Amino acid sequence: DVKVTQSSRYLVKRTGEKVFLECVQDMDHENMFWYRQDPGLGLRLIYFSYDVKMKEKGDIPEGYSVSREKKERFSLILESASTNQTSMYLCASRELGAQYFGPGTRLLVL
Amino acid sequence: SQQGEEDPQALSIQEGENATMNCSYKTSINNLQWYRQNSGRGLVHLILIRSNEREKHSGRLRVTLDTSKKSSSLLITASRAADTASYFCATDARSGGSNYKLTFGKGTLLTVNP
Repeated sequence: DVKVTQSSRYLVKRTGEKVFLECVQDMDHENMFWYRQDPGLGLRLIYFSYDVKMKEKGDIPEGYSVSREKKERFSLILESASTNQTSMYLCASRELGAQYFGPGTRLLVL
Repeated sequence: SQQGEEDPQALSIQEGENATMNCSYKTSINNLQWYRQNSGRGLVHLILIRSNEREKHSGRLRVTLDTSKKSSSLLITASRAADTASYFCATDARSGGSNYKLTFGKGTLLTVNP
């Protein structure tokens, strides 16, 4: 079975802090994705990566950056966290069309 | 940008009944997928239907795709309380080069009452 893990299930940070969300997949997938999920807005794509050191902006990249130094790891970085970045963050990897999601990180920015 | 839109937003049925959820989309797609999300968890892939397919089955799930109407439906037969979850459709369209990305709808919340 594909396994996608995220570094934290719950995270509380203060406004202005730099936040790292880590995602690791164990199936050698080339494509990895970061989404945020908010009530009434569904899932929105922040960034995705189709290879090591490659990244592409999704629909809402503002305020975020990403890093893909190794194939199995895709990191989402909030350079200076703001309260409007309080959300559920979901990482996924992809093979043969289907995406495999991690359990999610619920981030609260105070 | 939201591609798929699910209908209804919420659905409540009794155990044993069938549940039907619909998804409409706007642009050409490579395939359409359905996912399930239990409360507060990640999404789980259920089924994928390609643009040249019209119907697909997987266990108690039946998915149809009508590309002329740009719509899909997900039928869950003989529902169980454990089917209670949010269900999302996702459209897969070319994003550039050979890379594809999924665009998710806002989901249908299905409640199956025992």
